[in-house]
Amino acid sequence: DADVTQTPRNRITKTGKRIMLECSQTKGHDRMYWYRQDPGLGLQLIYYSFDVKDINKGEISDGYSVSRQAQAKFSLSLESAIPNQTALYFCATSEGRDAAEQYFGPGTRLTVT
Amino acid sequence: GQNIDQPTEMTATEGAIVQINCTYQTSGFNGLFWYQQHAGEAPTFLSYNVLDGLEEKGRFSSFLSRSKGYSYLLLKELQMKDSASYLCAVMDSNYQLIWGAGTKLIIKP
Repeated sequence: DADVTQTPRNRITKTGKRIMLECSQTKGHDRMYWYRQDPGLGLQLIYYSFDVKDINKGEISDGYSVSRQAQAKFSLSLESAIPNQTALYFCATSEGRDAAEQYFGPGTRLTVT
Repeated sequence: GQNIDQPTEMTATEGAIVQINCTYQTSGFNGLFWYQQHAGEAPTFLSYNVLDGLEEKGRFSSFLSRSKGYSYLLLKELQMKDSASYLCAVMDSNYQLIWGAGTKLIIKP
């Protein structure tokens, strides 16, 4: 079984709809991250969490919110989706040390029409 | 601002050697990572450099020069399965990863 899972894998939604992307991990890692990837751009950090009670904004948090329901679960919400949020979204986890490698989920391809 | 530069695309021949360069300008430095990403898939970790010099791991090696803000990933004995994008990422003074846009490597028979 995959260590980091994301649901759904693909989603098409309409402008103005609320949507939630979910991430679960079995690696026992404290740190979790949400990124978006657009063609021709590097991964951009949306939010990150170093433990259940610690949530931080990344470089592009506007229009997004997150919830860390448990050590193993980290959800990303788009309160009112807009077309420029069409992208590939990745969840990642890492150990609780600063230079740890990150382990990525398979990604969610989101299209906002 | 913070910036990571790497070539957009490179082409190489099966069995050959290819070097993918990465230059960076960041607020602080706490290490440089290379990840491999096949099309439509998740990035996977390849290497981490925090000190100057060459780190070798099988067919892949990664080099770092902190004074020059420069790294390269060297792939030897190229195989068709090495066709992928290679992402360079630098950990800044706040221990946040700054990602390059990636280099798409095309391997030809």
